[in-house]
Amino acid sequence: QSVLTQPPSVSGAPGQRVTISCTGSSSNIGAGYDVHWYQQLPGTAPKLLIHGNNNRPSGVPDRFSGSKSGTSASLAISGLQAEDEADYYCQSYDSSLSVVFGGGTKLTV
Amino acid sequence: QVQLVQSGAEVKKPGASVKLSCKASGYTFTTYTIHWVRQAPGQRLEWMGWINSGNGNTKYSQKFQGRVTITRDTSANTAYMELSSLKSEDTAVYYCARDSPTIWGSWLDPWGQGTLVTVSS
Repeated sequence: QSVLTQPPSVSGAPGQRVTISCTGSSSNIGAGYDVHWYQQLPGTAPKLLIHGNNNRPSGVPDRFSGSKSGTSASLAISGLQAEDEADYYCQSYDSSLSVVFGGGTKLTV
Repeated sequence: QVQLVQSGAEVKKPGASVKLSCKASGYTFTTYTIHWVRQAPGQRLEWMGWINSGNGNTKYSQKFQGRVTITRDTSANTAYMELSSLKSEDTAVYYCARDSPTIWGSWLDPWGQGTLVTVSS
C-alpha cells in the first residue's frame, strides 16, 4: 500500500468544487516536507499541477489550489470541467530521502 | 525547452534484465537529479530511485534494492535504469522525471513520455 493515503475516487458535477485529501505521517508530510500534486490523463505521463503545497506552475488554471496542515494536504478543484476528469496523485518526501506517492484518486466529472 | 525523451518499448522474458534510457535536453544535465517511477497497468505511481546526475550518487527504494541500478552518462546527457530478474509483475510503464529541489523536498517536472516494459514468457 501507499505511504500517503488518498481516497480512491471523488466525483462532482460540472461547475462544482471537489477536494482530494492526502494523509501522511510524522516521517513525511508531518516532518515538514512539501506536498506536490500531479494530474494524469488517461494514457499520458503525470503532469505537475501544484508544487510546494500551494504553488501553481505557469499554465495551470487558478481553479486548482492546494493546502497543507499537519500530516495532511488537500487539492481543491473549483468550477469543475469535463477536461478535469483524470487521476490525481500527491507526492512528498520522507526522512530517508525517498520520494513517496499517494495511491491516486480518480476524479469523475 | 526542458525535455526528457525515453527509449522505446521492450518485451522481456522472466528472469531477464532490461535497461532503459532517458535523454535530457534544454538544461545543464549535471545540475539536476533524475528519478525513475513506474506504473503497472491500472495501478498507482511507484518511486524506484534517483541519481544525482552530477556526482553519480544514487538512492533506491527498498522494494527494488538489489534489483535496480541507475546510472548516467554525462557526455550523452542520458540517465539509465536497469532492472534485473524480471517478473511478470514488473510489467509497467517506466517514467523518468527531473527533480526540482527545495529545502523541504522536491517535485518532479518534467516527466519523460514513459517506456512500456512487458514481461512475458
